[in-house]
Amino acid sequence: QSVLTQPPSLSAAPGQKVTVSCSGSSSNIGNHHVSWYQQLPGTAPKLLIYESNKRPSGIPDRFSGSKSGTSASLDITGLQTGDEADYYCGTWESSLSAVVFGGGTKLTVL
Amino acid sequence: QVQLVESGGGVVQPGRSLRLSCEASGFNFSKYGMHWVRQAPGKGLEWVALIWFDGSNKYYADSVKGRFTISRDNSNNTVSLQMNSLRAEDTAVYYCARDRSGDYADYWGQGTLVTVSS
Repeated sequence: QSVLTQPPSLSAAPGQKVTVSCSGSSSNIGNHHVSWYQQLPGTAPKLLIYESNKRPSGIPDRFSGSKSGTSASLDITGLQTGDEADYYCGTWESSLSAVVFGGGTKLTVL
Repeated sequence: QVQLVESGGGVVQPGRSLRLSCEASGFNFSKYGMHWVRQAPGKGLEWVALIWFDGSNKYYADSVKGRFTISRDNSNNTVSLQMNSLRAEDTAVYYCARDRSGDYADYWGQGTLVTVSS
């Protein structure tokens, strides 16, 4: 059971927008930045969003992040078949002095 | 460019030990903390451990506390994970990753597979 809760799967059509949610508590998301990672099949995770809403160099602006209270979300607009991947949120958990990840969301682009 | 290359994975019997290494290049290694993160077959990411840039602080997941030890050698740009008393549930691909701000990782290695089986 992950400390951060994500929907196990989402699907949408090419060109559409999808939102991946990540729910936590005051001891994690509520008081710490959130990061998002994309893991394409058979590859290592890749940082998509850091400090809740910042994109590393090279990440398209189709990917955006936000945080409100104890929840965060990742928006992906203009979906492409190449966006089919697993997406994970992560943050620091104060009560454990540990990094925690969500269980992951498998995105299917139909 | 930043590169992280893990090594040391393999098949090991339950109760035995294994040491993973991660060689870093392309950045000033001594200025960054380093994580180990693992992923069991078909499962999600599980954070394992974090070591500060100077080795002064180390943090562990409860699932490995007391069995795993993270360490680093800044003169050789390597971070290691000593894994003792291995269990079947430790079977996973182990990734090393560069830390930023203590709560996210901006670069990841390709991973090394550890299989614990008799």
